[in-house]
Amino acid sequence: NAGVTQTPKFRVLKTGQSMTLLCAQDMNHEYMYWYRQDPGMGLRLIHYSVGEGTTAKGEVPDGYNVSRLKKQNFLLGLESAAPSQTSVYFCASSPEGTQYFGPGTRLLVL
Amino acid sequence: GESVGLHLPTLSVQEGDNSIINCAYSNSASDYFIWYKQESGKGPQFIIDIRSNMDKRQGQRVTVLLNKTVKHLSLQIAATQPGDSAVYFCAEGPRNQFYFGTGTSLTVIP
Repeated sequence: NAGVTQTPKFRVLKTGQSMTLLCAQDMNHEYMYWYRQDPGMGLRLIHYSVGEGTTAKGEVPDGYNVSRLKKQNFLLGLESAAPSQTSVYFCASSPEGTQYFGPGTRLLVL
Repeated sequence: GESVGLHLPTLSVQEGDNSIINCAYSNSASDYFIWYKQESGKGPQFIIDIRSNMDKRQGQRVTVLLNKTVKHLSLQIAATQPGDSAVYFCAEGPRNQFYFGTGTSLTVIP
């Protein structure tokens, strides 16, 4: 039981490049979330999903897209990366209530 | 939007003493509250939760107190240990979408 895993752990992008962050959970949780964490700030919700095939916007969705084609995976996409998207990205999953977090992906956009 | 804040950004305690970390929230409709611990370079880790119909809940060395009248949440750590050094976040909301505070950095002095 690996819990929540995130791929990659670290990535450097140039402005305008695209990439996809992968989150996988093996706990059969319905709910999945993507957050970003910036220095001096709490976790901010980007997008979330309440089940396979569904997604919804969170607090800071602009510049990101997501997909939940399989229950265990939640993908976060950046179509055209900007320096303002430099951050640490955390994925979480939950049955309902307590969220279990992955180890994070550190993204640097130059 | 929601507002979740912590009274003190940093807290230093002597090893063996008790620690108290406070959190204020603004949404009276929130019915679920969680405390997370985040160590450097890792994702948030669940510590303890409490529902709005409770005032107090105890775990192993930790106690969460909820005062709905003044919208205040606190985390008490008994006999603080060096391994407790981390950033502590409170989160509040309905059970499927949480808002996180900015965190309190706890340093345990040996």
